[in-house]
Amino acid sequence: EPEVTQTPSHQVTQMGQEVILRCVPISNHLYFYWYRQILGQKVEFLVSFYNNEISEKSEIFDDQFSVERPDGSNFTLKIRSTKLEDSAMYFCASKGRKDYGYTFGSGTRLTVV
Amino acid sequence: GEDVEQSLFLSVREGDSSVINCTYTDSSSTYLYWYKQEPGAGLQLLTYIFSNMDMKQDQRLTVLLNKKDKHLSLRIADTQTGDSAIYFCAESYTGTASKLTFGTGTRLQVTL
Repeated sequence: EPEVTQTPSHQVTQMGQEVILRCVPISNHLYFYWYRQILGQKVEFLVSFYNNEISEKSEIFDDQFSVERPDGSNFTLKIRSTKLEDSAMYFCASKGRKDYGYTFGSGTRLTVV
Repeated sequence: GEDVEQSLFLSVREGDSSVINCTYTDSSSTYLYWYKQEPGAGLQLLTYIFSNMDMKQDQRLTVLLNKKDKHLSLRIADTQTGDSAIYFCAESYTGTASKLTFGTGTRLQVTL
C-alpha cells in the first residue's frame, strides 16, 4: 500500500537553528499538508499546499515557517529559527483528487533544546 | 470556528464493544473521519463517513452520525488488546483540499 514517508524520524536541534523536515507524499497525490502535535495535545493544522502554492495556513504558521515542493516528489517544512515551543511531532499528509481519506506519514519528532 | 470534542479516556474489557463519541460544531462539515494513533506512531485512517449518511459499517467498526445533534460515534465490536490506542475524530468541509480539524482524542484502554 502506498505510504507517506517522513525523514528524519527524530531531530534534536538547538534553539535558534533552522530545521528542514522532509516528506515524500504518495506519488499521484495532489494535496499536501503539515500538521503538528505537541506532546499530549491535539493534532493541529499548519498548512495546506496545492498546485505549487499554499492553499490555507493557520495562525501557527507564521513567518518562521515555510513550505516547498522543490521537485516532483519531496515536500518540505522549514522552521527558520526554532523556539523551544516548536518541540512537537510534525506530521505530513497527502491526498488524491478523488480520495476522501488523508494519508499521514509516521511523523518527525522535533526536540528543540 | 470549528471545534471537535471527545471524551479523554475509555476503558473496556477485551471482547466487549467500545463506543467512542465525538461532537463537532461546524454544521457545514461534509466529511467526518476516525483516525487511530498507536504509541509513538503516525495517524492511521480507520474510516470516514459523508455527512449525508447515518451509518457506515466496516468489519468490526460501525460509525454512526447524528447530523442534527452534530454527534459522531465509533463502535468497535469485540475489542482486542491491539485496539488500545488514541482515537481521533476529524472533520473537513469539502473533502478535497480543505484541512482536517481534529478532536482532542480518546485514549482507549483494553483490559484483559
